[in-house]
Amino acid sequence: AQSVTQPDIHITVSEGASLELRCNYSYGATPYLFWYVQSPGQGLQLLLKYFSGDTLVQGIKGFEAEFKRSQSSFNLRKPSVHWSDAAEYFCAVGPTGTASKLTFGTGTRLQVTL
Amino acid sequence: GAGVSQSPSNKVTEKGKDVELRCDPISGHTALYWYRQRLGQGLEFLIYFQGNSAPDKSGLPSDRFSAERTGESVSTLTIQRTQQEDSAVYLCASSSQGGGYNEQFFGPGTRLTVL
Repeated sequence: AQSVTQPDIHITVSEGASLELRCNYSYGATPYLFWYVQSPGQGLQLLLKYFSGDTLVQGIKGFEAEFKRSQSSFNLRKPSVHWSDAAEYFCAVGPTGTASKLTFGTGTRLQVTL
Repeated sequence: GAGVSQSPSNKVTEKGKDVELRCDPISGHTALYWYRQRLGQGLEFLIYFQGNSAPDKSGLPSDRFSAERTGESVSTLTIQRTQQEDSAVYLCASSSQGGGYNEQFFGPGTRLTVL
């Protein structure tokens, strides 16, 4: 069965600092990989996704993520964090083919200090 | 157009009561999903509808949970004889079609509290 691990429950960074959120997955093949952000009182918004091809993917709001097959990882990065980035971030894995359900990690809550 | 909407936004109920949660997907989206998010947890898949195909109910935690969808429109998630462990945020998502590669658009959720 597929699974997703986000080892960091809570991260605090200073505004302007760089950010890396970790995500490791378990899946029998190369899955579809996603990062979602959930701001307080808001629904989940897709930041970026990886299906195939270039292992470095660019997303919205200046985020990027790198797929590393050898490490089963899909870490999310941002070079300079803004206070508005404070939110909860979820990594998710989706199976290839026609099945559709996503498996989510438990999330990482990002706090940004000014 | 409008995004995914859910109602009510909050629901407080007493243990043992039945509740119905509603989801209006994005118009034209054939796929619809329900997830549950317990406090401090990730999202758990509950059920998936795709067009006229039989729904994937593999995530429903017990027979107290059921869901219906009329055509490619509104869906209702029903929880019978609610228990305190059912307290969670219930999220609905839709996508233009099924398949893991299609972006799922999420609604704001319904926060269910069972006293």
